[in-house]
Amino acid sequence: GDSVTQMEGPVTLSEEAFLTINCTYTATGYPSLFWYVQYPGEGLQLLLKATKADDKGSNKGFEATYRKETTSFHLEKGSVQVSDSAVYFCALYGYGGSQGNLIFGKGTKLSVKP
Amino acid sequence: EADIYQTPRYLVIGTGKKITLECSQTMGHDKMYWYQQDPGMELHLIHYSYGVNSTEKGDLSSESTVSRIRTEHFPLTLESARPSHTSQYLCASSDGGRREQFFGPGTRLTVL
Repeated sequence: GDSVTQMEGPVTLSEEAFLTINCTYTATGYPSLFWYVQYPGEGLQLLLKATKADDKGSNKGFEATYRKETTSFHLEKGSVQVSDSAVYFCALYGYGGSQGNLIFGKGTKLSVKP
Repeated sequence: EADIYQTPRYLVIGTGKKITLECSQTMGHDKMYWYQQDPGMELHLIHYSYGVNSTEKGDLSSESTVSRIRTEHFPLTLESARPSHTSQYLCASSDGGRREQFFGPGTRLTVL
């Protein structure tokens, strides 16, 4: 069945550092891919998405490119801020028996220090 | 403003009590979901619904039950709460024609 594997945390960075959170997937066909963010004490928010190969999703300075050849959707940001401290989830919507539900990775906690 | 709401946000109760966690959305979405989020942050789908009068069990077995009598409302009930039910519960909804889910703020449940 479909699955998502994302980089384990926690990840601790200094302000203005470069961020990469790795996400790879296993799926049949061409799934849609998502990054969600969860700030402390809140629910998940959609950060960005990509629906076909080579699409780049972007939002709030974050970017991720849908790479079919490497089955990856890594999240990047050039200069993180303290306010980016949160948990980040990679997710896919595919056709591999998930009954039309999203498949989430286990989450990566990011802490940004001033 | 279209949104998804959960009440209460925090609940502390004693063992054996019956509780209902409320979830409502004003976006007209057909599909709704309940997730349990463990302290390690991982999300587990426990229930979902395709629409009115539809309820399905998710990937993680749960002692909770759900109902879907109205499109906008998807409450979750625990008949007899136990300390093992202590967790964060997240409700979400999605439009059948789109794939992303929209999440409520969550209910943090503590059973003593």
